[in-house]
Amino acid sequence: TQLLEQSPQFLSIQEGENLTVYCNSSSVFSSLQWYRQEPGEGPVLLVTVVTGGEVKKLKRLTFQFGDARKDSSLHITAAQPGDTGLYLCAGDDAGGSYIPTFGRGTSLIVHP
Amino acid sequence: NAGVTQTPKFQVLKTGQSMTLQCAQDMNHNSMYWYRQDPGMGLRLIYYSASEGTTDKGEVPNGYNVSRLNKREFSLRLESAAPSQTSVYFCASRPQGVNGELFFGEGSRLTVL
Repeated sequence: TQLLEQSPQFLSIQEGENLTVYCNSSSVFSSLQWYRQEPGEGPVLLVTVVTGGEVKKLKRLTFQFGDARKDSSLHITAAQPGDTGLYLCAGDDAGGSYIPTFGRGTSLIVHP
Repeated sequence: NAGVTQTPKFQVLKTGQSMTLQCAQDMNHNSMYWYRQDPGMGLRLIYYSASEGTTDKGEVPNGYNVSRLNKREFSLRLESAAPSQTSVYFCASRPQGVNGELFFGEGSRLTVL
């Protein structure tokens, strides 16, 4: 099992602040995905990054895949209460298995 | 489209009882997965099925069995439930191959007393 270390585990911030969540591994991934989960629901995909060094933007969210495809980050600019939720990173190993591995998640609370 | 449907949504069992969690997807996906989610532990893979007719163990398979009944359905069975199996269980599916989006059900909350 390839480990994905996600940090921080918890974040409690005020509306308008910026934040970054990190996802790191010693293994190479063919792709890395970020999901968001709200209470009582299943995770929903935000983005998939595939190419080393790739940067994708989704409104106020910026996702980056490391050059070596071992790490990724999620940056949120000017967080809003609607961003509250559990953020999960997941990676597919470069060996081409069908086993997506998840990090432990970052629980984000944005206070009005 | 219904996507991924899991039943039941809630279940309370006594230690030693058995039960089956049902999962069905209507997106014609080849790969299906069962995860459990515990506080602070993220999603841990129990079993997966890369394609119809195949199943393989994931990270935490002990105490569970699965059946890929057909392309649509993938069930998870607890033969003799233990309190350590109290968790929220998620079924997911995705198209053939890696890098594809995982589509999740709404989860099944299981409590074992």
